[in-house]
Amino acid sequence: KAGVTQTPRYLIKTRGQQVTLSCSPISGHRSVSWYQQTPGQGLQFLFEYFSETQRNKGNFPGRFSGRQFSNSRSEMNVSTLELGDSALYLCASSLEQPSHEQYFGPGTRLTVT
Amino acid sequence: AQSVTQLGSHVSVSEGALVLLRCNYSSSVPPYLFWYVQYPNQGLQLLLKYTTGATLVKGINGFEAEFKKSETSFHLTKPSAHMSDAAEYFCAVSRGSGNTPLVFGKGTRLSVIA
Repeated sequence: KAGVTQTPRYLIKTRGQQVTLSCSPISGHRSVSWYQQTPGQGLQFLFEYFSETQRNKGNFPGRFSGRQFSNSRSEMNVSTLELGDSALYLCASSLEQPSHEQYFGPGTRLTVT
Repeated sequence: AQSVTQLGSHVSVSEGALVLLRCNYSSSVPPYLFWYVQYPNQGLQLLLKYTTGATLVKGINGFEAEFKKSETSFHLTKPSAHMSDAAEYFCAVSRGSGNTPLVFGKGTRLSVIA
């Protein structure tokens, strides 16, 4: 069974631009969670989607948004990029509930210049 | 609310020595507990998990952890460190039931010295 895939793996953007990251969960998994990982803050929860609905949301500004499609694939979008948005963005999938074991993708390394 | 504290942001051991990474949690309900490992430029990989039942949990790569309710701990151990164990390790807790997400600790970087 294929694992969680994320595209692109690396991305360089300029401050003020917007970016869209994509995540394909493990087949059969319906819950998709997104995390931001930085050296200073560690792993921070962004949001979780289930059946195309945002079910949980972390403490991030409205510039961070996401969505989930009917095939469970998910995208996250960051508008008006700031230098502080430079991070590794990780997607994780689980069968039904995010409180159960999650399987992580390799991440998208975003650099904002 | 759940929370996780990992004691020691960096642990260094000699090859062949015991690995002990500490994790304490706070939870108002019986928790599910997890250890994940992250190698450079990769995502997180599940090492082991505790849900219910046996409190000593064995995982991949020779790691194990013991759930101690009285101490609210879930420390990760490995009898003999290998160079390939050098990575960052994350402890996580959840409610188990319901739709609340995992809560991760800050991580512990393990260095293995030859």
